[in-house]
Amino acid sequence: DAGVIQSPRHEVTEMGQEVTLRCKLISGHNSLFWYRQTMMRGLELLIYFNNNVPIDDSGMPEDRFSAKMPNASFSTLKIQPSEPRDSAVYFCASRRSGGFTDTQYFGPGTRLTVL
Amino acid sequence: SQKIEQNSEALNIQEGKTATLTCNYTNYSPAYLQWYRQDPGRGPVFLLLIRENEKEKRKERLKVTFDTTLKQSLFHITASQPADSATYLCALPYGGSQGNLIFGKGTKLSVKP
Repeated sequence: DAGVIQSPRHEVTEMGQEVTLRCKLISGHNSLFWYRQTMMRGLELLIYFNNNVPIDDSGMPEDRFSAKMPNASFSTLKIQPSEPRDSAVYFCASRRSGGFTDTQYFGPGTRLTVL
Repeated sequence: SQKIEQNSEALNIQEGKTATLTCNYTNYSPAYLQWYRQDPGRGPVFLLLIRENEKEKRKERLKVTFDTTLKQSLFHITASQPADSATYLCALPYGGSQGNLIFGKGTKLSVKP
């Protein structure tokens, strides 16, 4: 069974460009989380979907960030326009909701560098 | 607001010794606590969950304790090996039943041969 798949694994772009990160959930999972990880702030939740519906987007830094879940197994995180301070590793994680344990399964991450 | 602290950014120990990592939290009464392992260039991987009514949980060489009075969890690796070198993150649920987790910043463990 394939785990969470993220693409691209690495992205280098220039300030002002649009960046799109992609995530494919584990089959059968219905919750999707986008995180950002930096040395300074650690792992921060950006947005959380349950059954394709955004539940909590309070962690999205500003309007330049948007996330969608067009179907049950796929999500995108878009940054437009990108800025150097957006440089970080972005993870998505999926979960099968309804259980007590709420264990999340993380993808390998996308390392974003904005020059 | 809720706060999690892993009070060692890095821990260096000798192979064979027991590594002990600490996770403290404030303004919070979680129903459970989780520990994850993260290797360089990879996402966190779930290791163990301990519930509030459990004092201790074991899995092979791993042992986790949960003291709800002290608001602290200890994570032990016995007979540590160089392969145990990684960053270890504790995580607590918030948001009721929605399943969100808040993560500590992690402790980077280095086990020297």
